[in-house]
Order: sequence, then structure tokens, then C-alpha cells
Amino acid sequence: NAGVTQTPKFQVLKTGQSMTLQCAQDMNHEYMSWYRQDPGMGLRLIHYSVGAGITDQGEVPNGYNVSRSTTEDFPLRLLSAAPSQTSVYFCASSFGGGELFFGEGSRLTVL
Amino acid sequence: DQQVKQNSPSLSVQEGRISILNCDYTNSMFDYFLWYKKYPAEGPTFLISISSIKDKNEDGRFTVFLNKSAKHLSLHIVPSQPGDSAVYFCAASGAPNNNDMRFGAGTRLTVKP
Repeated sequence: NAGVTQTPKFQVLKTGQSMTLQCAQDMNHEYMSWYRQDPGMGLRLIHYSVGAGITDQGEVPNGYNVSRSTTEDFPLRLLSAAPSQTSVYFCASSFGGGELFFGEGSRLTVL
Repeated sequence: DQQVKQNSPSLSVQEGRISILNCDYTNSMFDYFLWYKKYPAEGPTFLISISSIKDKNEDGRFTVFLNKSAKHLSLHIVPSQPGDSAVYFCAASGAPNNNDMRFGAGTRLTVKP
């Protein structure tokens, strides 16, 4: 049972490049979400999904896209990376309420 | 606008003593509160939670207290152990909805042997 798996763990991008952070969970959770963690800011919700085919914006959605074609996968896309998107990104899942199960994080640096 | 605040960035305690981590919130609609623990290079892991209908919840060495009138909660760890050294995040949401879960900035706890 792997839980929540994120790839890649580390990535360096140049401004304007695009990339996708992958997230997969094997717990059959309906709810999945993406957070970013910045110093002094805690974790902030970017996008979330309550089931396959359903996504919505969180607190800081600008510059990010998501889709949910399967229950297991919830990729986060950066279409044109900016230095302000340098952060640690966490994917999380849950049964839809209560505790979140987090992945190990993806550290992104945008130069 | 941080709706969940952890005003102490760090806390250091001696092994065997009590650790008290504090958290304040501003949104009176929050109904469900959680504490997560995070080690370096790992994702946060759930520690303990409390709903607004209770004022205390215990799980082994960990107890969370909720004071709704003061919009304040605290996490007590007794006795503290070196393995408890980590960053602790307070989180709040309008239960049972995860969609509006807000996190504090975290408190780094160091337990000295």
C-alpha cells in the first residue's frame, strides 16, 4: 500500500517553461488536493477534486491547472512557470472529510 | 489573510517535560480542527483532531484542547520525547468539508535529550 505518491521529488525550471507534477493514490479516496508550502505561510490550497471529472479552485489557483480523469490520479500543471511558483508542493487525499493523507512533496525551483 | 495563526515559530523543551503548542483562528465558521506533524523531507501526517462539539480530545501522549469562545486551540504532548521533534501544523475547516481547510504556518518543536 503506497498511499499518496508524488513525482518528481525535485525539479528546476526556467521561467516560462511548463511541467506537470504527478500525484497518484491507491486508497480509493474520492477527495484529492494540491497544496503549496512557503516559509511563514503554512500550507495553502491550490486546487481540489471531489471525484473523477470534478475539480475546483482553492485559495491560490492562479498559474495552475488540474484535471481528474481517474479516481487515482490528480496531476498539477504549470503552463508557464514563474519564480513566484518556487515552492514545495504537496498532494493530499481523503475520504472526503477529516484527515488528509499527504505525499512526500515535490520541491520546485523556478529560475 | 491568515485565518489560522501559529504565533510561535519554534519551541524547545526538555525530554520528559510537557510541550504546549498554540493555535488561534479567526473564522467562527470553522467546525473541525486538526494537528499534523511533519518531519524534514516528508509530507505532513495526521496527529489528532477535535470537532467543535468537544473541548478536549486525547490520544496517548497527545491532547488537544479547544476554547471556542477564545477561538484558540492547543496541543499538549506529555511526556515529550526526542522523536517528537518536528514541525507541527494546526489546521481548521468547516467539517466535514476539506475544501476550505486552512493551515497555520507551523511551529518547530525541538525536544532536547
